[in-house]
Order: sequence, then structure tokens, then C-alpha cells
Amino acid sequence: VQLQESGPQLVKPSETLSLTCTLSGDSFGLYHWAWIRQSPGTGLEWIAYVHYSGGANLNPSLKSRLSISIDTTKSQFSLRLASVTAADTAVYFCARQQSSYDLGNYMDVWGTGITVTVSS
Amino acid sequence: IQLTQSPSSLSASVGDRVTITCRASQGISSYLAWYQQKPGEAPKLLIYSASTLESGVPSRFSGTGSGTEFTLTISSLQPEDFATYYCQRLNAYPPAFGLGTKLDIK
Repeated sequence: VQLQESGPQLVKPSETLSLTCTLSGDSFGLYHWAWIRQSPGTGLEWIAYVHYSGGANLNPSLKSRLSISIDTTKSQFSLRLASVTAADTAVYFCARQQSSYDLGNYMDVWGTGITVTVSS
Repeated sequence: IQLTQSPSSLSASVGDRVTITCRASQGISSYLAWYQQKPGEAPKLLIYSASTLESGVPSRFSGTGSGTEFTLTISSLQPEDFATYYCQRLNAYPPAFGLGTKLDIK
């Protein structure tokens, strides 16, 4: 299973950050598919997950600016974060999230990450 | 629920036994994972459910704990183990991570 992030690496303030994660070597199945970001200032931050059915869960701290979607025909899921500021500058990772009542929610497969800078 | 890792940094030698602690501000049963991250790479899952070793992870890594206190132990440090280690709370949303413990060579 491999995941690969893609998208613009430079976004202007107030614009929308759009990233896509492409899955290879597996199908979406019953997993959740997540986005996580990492910046020196805030460490690792879970952003959201989407399920192949289209169901999703968003981090409340980002929810008002965030949308997530999935396209099973293209083996891709995507993230859109609106009205970005410098605080959204980070490395963005996509990941496969295992979710169960017994074991909880953890990420067992990660993409390599994409660095996104918000700057004019 | 906040996670506090200690120490924030640690220097050790190859062959040493190392223990990293993660404390939760409230009880989280066994809903904890540990990750290893090397510079320029994504985090790698080591342990989930507090003590279950992910497939392919060397047995020198082990995890213990439940409730509010958890530990990650590396029984005999190897050169490839020098990295930053993070704990993650697995229950409730949003999942949260500790701030990390950087392990470097003494």
C-alpha cells in the first residue's frame, strides 16, 4: 500500500489550499483515510478523515474552513482548506487510519508528506 | 485530553536501554500508540493499543501502561533508532499527539 500527496506547495494568504492523496496497491475498503499536518510550532495535528462511503470527521479547530472528499474511481481523496494564513504552513501527510472500538484510531500507512508554505 | 511526553530530549549510546514516558491528563485505557519519525520522513507506527507491536517492528521496542501513564522502551539501542518518538491518543476525536521526544547519540 502506498500513498502519495500532491498539490501546490505555495499558497497565498486568504486563498484555498488544495491537496490530493493518491492510493496505490490497495482499495479504500473499510478504512478511514486521514490528513495530518506537522509544523514546528504546533507539532503533529490530525486534520480529518474520510471514509469510502463519503462519511467524514473534521477537526473542530479547522472545521469552518475545511472540506474533505473521496473519489474511489480515481483512488484519490482530497483536502481543501480555505482562507489560509501563515499558521497553515506545514508538512501535510495523508495516511490510512485504522479505526475500531477495541483498538481506537491510529495511522498505520503514511504518505511521504508535502510541504506547503503560505506566503505572498 | 492532553498528552505530556518526557523527557523532551534524550542522549544515549548504542546498546543502551531507553525509556520514554507519555502521560495523559485523563484516563485513556489502552488507547495509545507510539510512532518513530526520522528527519524528512513520515512518522512510522511502532506500537498501538499501548503494547501491541506493529508488524515488522523489531522486538527491542516494547510498550506498557494503561490509564494515564505509558512507556515506550527500547531494550538495546541500535544506530537506526536515533529519531524522534511521539505518542498518540487513540480514543475520541480529534486524535492528539504528544510533542515528541528527540533521541540522539551521546
